[in-house]
Amino acid sequence: AQSVTQLDSHVSVSEGTPVLLRCNYSSSYSPSLFWYVQHPNKGLQLLLKYTSAATLVKGINGFEAEFKKSETSFHLTKPSAHMSDAAEYFCVVSRDNAGNMLTFGGGTRLMVKP
Amino acid sequence: GAGVSQSPSNKVTEKGKDVELRCDPISGHTALYWYRQSLGQGLEFLIYFQGNSAPDKSGLPSDRFSAERTGGSVSTLTIQRTQQEDSAVYLCASSSRTGTTDTQYFGPGTRLTVL
Repeated sequence: AQSVTQLDSHVSVSEGTPVLLRCNYSSSYSPSLFWYVQHPNKGLQLLLKYTSAATLVKGINGFEAEFKKSETSFHLTKPSAHMSDAAEYFCVVSRDNAGNMLTFGGGTRLMVKP
Repeated sequence: GAGVSQSPSNKVTEKGKDVELRCDPISGHTALYWYRQSLGQGLEFLIYFQGNSAPDKSGLPSDRFSAERTGGSVSTLTIQRTQQEDSAVYLCASSSRTGTTDTQYFGPGTRLTVL
């Protein structure tokens, strides 16, 4: 079975400071991992995905995530937060090798203070 | 190009009534998924269609829920005899193969409120 845990339900940062959103997963095989973002009243948008290629994955809007098998982690980072980054972020693991039937973490709401 | 679209965007219904939610996937995508996003339950997988294969219904919460996909394109999620706990945002996604892993593209969702 696959599961994903987002360690913080809320994260608050000041504009211009680094962002760290934590995610740990469990999977019975080499997983495919994703980060999605959901802005208020908008659909889910893919930020980035890991599919067993490079362990450091770069996504859109300056976000990146590093797959660490030894720590079963896939934390999302950004060097400098922008006000437009305020949203809910979901760490996701696929239920099979093809990336089908996603299992979502509980979400982390990112707040960015001016 | 056009993304995944869903209709209606909002649906308010009375307990016990049936509802139909529609999803138009991205043209050419062979896979289609339904998820539910509700307070307290987060995002849950409901059902998955891949091409002409039998759908994976393992996420459907009860037999009041069903879905079909006509002609390998448009899908309809039907909830019979709605209950208040069915209130949620229902999300549809479709996927194309990118490398070796499907990337799912989500629609804006249908917000269902059962009074």
